[in-house]
Amino acid sequence: NAGVTQTPKFRVLKTGQSMTLLCAQDMNHEYMYWYRQDPGMGLRLIHYSVGEGTTAKGEVPDGYNVSRLKKQNFLLGLESAAPSQTSVYFCASSSGQRDTGELFFGEGSRLTVL
Amino acid sequence: AQKITQTQPGMFVQEKEAVTLDCTYDTSDQSYGLFWYKQPSSGEMIFLIYQGSYDEQNATEGRYSLNFQKARKSANLVISASQLGDSAMYFCAMRVFSGGYQKVTFGIGTKLQVIP
Repeated sequence: NAGVTQTPKFRVLKTGQSMTLLCAQDMNHEYMYWYRQDPGMGLRLIHYSVGEGTTAKGEVPDGYNVSRLKKQNFLLGLESAAPSQTSVYFCASSSGQRDTGELFFGEGSRLTVL
Repeated sequence: AQKITQTQPGMFVQEKEAVTLDCTYDTSDQSYGLFWYKQPSSGEMIFLIYQGSYDEQNATEGRYSLNFQKARKSANLVISASQLGDSAMYFCAMRVFSGGYQKVTFGIGTKLQVIP
């Protein structure tokens, strides 16, 4: 019962390098989200997706791009990493049903940009 | 724009006592949901409780209850009979339904420490 899986779990980048975080869910959820968590700032929404091929900007989208080519996968890309992007990244998914609230989270990906 | 406010950076509670974690929200949408997540030091996000904006009764899940006051735009979490394992970060979040999109925003969290 995998749920939401994030890869990689840890990554160290140099400034200017690019990378992609992969989020995969096996629950057939329509909605997927990428958050970053920084001390004292809670979880901030980067981008989200309401279905295959559809994405939207969250609170802090600058410096990130996303794609949802397949329903089960939501990719977060950093084209030119900056030290300010050092953070823990969480992916989440949801069925979107109005009578339930649960977002299912991945375990997080810790990214360090030197 | 939607906003979640948690004004208590840290809270202490004696074991077996009850504690209330505050959360206020702001949205112009009529249809929304509020929930709480727990994040222990191990880092995973654990779902605790959910309240829909049209639910007339406050949500309860075991020792957790959500004190929903719509007119005051507050959704406080009440934990009864605190346990040492309740020590963690607690996040309030809001989901709004607007134009087919569901955006979920979180507050900055409250760190709860349970004292033996």
